Amino acid sequence: AQSVTQLDSQVPVFEEAPVELRCNYSSSVSVYLFWYVQYPNQGLQLLLKYLSGSTLVKGINGFEAEFNKSQTSFHLRKPSVHISDTAEYFCAFPLGNTGKLIFGQGTTLQVKP
Amino acid sequence: NAGVTQTPKFRILKIGQSMTLQCAQDMNHNYMYWYRQDPGMGLKLIYYSVGAGITDKGEVPNGYNVSRSTTEDFPLRLELAAPSQTSVYFCASSYSQGSTEAFFGQGTRLTVV
Repeated sequence: AQSVTQLDSQVPVFEEAPVELRCNYSSSVSVYLFWYVQYPNQGLQLLLKYLSGSTLVKGINGFEAEFNKSQTSFHLRKPSVHISDTAEYFCAFPLGNTGKLIFGQGTTLQVKP
Repeated sequence: NAGVTQTPKFRILKIGQSMTLQCAQDMNHNYMYWYRQDPGMGLKLIYYSVGAGITDKGEVPNGYNVSRSTTEDFPLRLELAAPSQTSVYFCASSYSQGSTEAFFGQGTRLTVV
């Protein structure tokens, strides 16, 4: 079965520290992969996406992710986080040819001063 | 450019009542989706549509109905509300399947008591 697993439900980190949010996927076919961010009481917005080509993908707000086919991973990283990065982060990929998204469980990033 | 608009933002329903969650997009997207978000569970697909007049079930369709009479609108109907339908509901749209990002509304927080 195709699925997405986010390995950490909560990640507390101090401001200006680096962070990595982990995502593993299971799929028998080539995948596109996305990271979405949800700020408190808001909808989801796209942070970055991997379609093909370079395995290092850069997104908004200084985030980047690396696609690793052999590890079936797509971990999200930021070298120095800010208080405003406090949010919930979702890893996802589209299933089939209708754009239906399979989401991971979400990781809450809590940035402390 | 409003994007995806959901109404209402909040609603409390009594068990057995019915309601319609409204969703409209102004981006001329063919693909539209309804997801529900429960704590620690990520987002689950309820129903989706690939164009006006075409709808199909997602992962958790029981207790819901949809219609798509126009490209712009994709309402979600709850019949006989149950406590298990307490959730945050998100409508999303995308231009095409798979590789392009989905745009999300702000969500509707529904409580069934």
